[in-house]
Amino acid sequence: EVQLVESGGGLVQPGGSLRLSCAASGFTFSSYWMSWVRQTPGKGLEWVAKIKFDGSERYYVDSVKGRFIISRDNAKNSLYLEMSNVRPEDTAVYYCARRGSGWWGADYWGQGTLVTVSS
Amino acid sequence: DMQMTQSPTSLSASVGDRVTITCRASQSISTMLAWYQQRPGKAPNLLIYKANSLASGVPSRFSGSGSGTEFTLTISSLQPDDSATYYCQHYNNYSWTFGQGTKVEIK
Repeated sequence: EVQLVESGGGLVQPGGSLRLSCAASGFTFSSYWMSWVRQTPGKGLEWVAKIKFDGSERYYVDSVKGRFIISRDNAKNSLYLEMSNVRPEDTAVYYCARRGSGWWGADYWGQGTLVTVSS
Repeated sequence: DMQMTQSPTSLSASVGDRVTITCRASQSISTMLAWYQQRPGKAPNLLIYKANSLASGVPSRFSGSGSGTEFTLTISSLQPDDSATYYCQHYNNYSWTFGQGTKVEIK
């Protein structure tokens, strides 16, 4: 059974940093592109970043470029999102998601972790 | 920028009703569209991909259609368990763009 379990969310002050983790199991993690998606009541679902199965390519939404870094450790079956210089508008539930095989959408999602940016 | 617009924003229907949700893309996306169901406090769950392919384990009362700029998700006979918010998603090799969601309530 495919499982994605996020952790690391919490309260962080504006300008601060946070590291999110996603532990994967039930599939060959090193064979799949992975993404982070966030959800807010106001803006809905927003794709944040993605990383190639071997970590050689990374892409970001414009609003987080230069502030967030997506990475992975295939030996640990783990995906990460390093968030720095965070802003109140980064407040959201953050999900990790697996890109489907043979198509480019998300076939499995984690349960999400809440990040709140506030002083 | 690509925009995905869903209608209606919400609907209320009775058990057994046929329900249709529409998603419109701001430019042609061929069949690069997926539909997700999200229950409160839970992660999105894939229903349909490639516009009309049913995901594994999804009940056959769910179906998708369309291509280009207009797509529909149909629930042929609404069940109590279908109370949720439904999202369309355009995907390409670079990014994902989501619709704003349609909340389905059971009367």
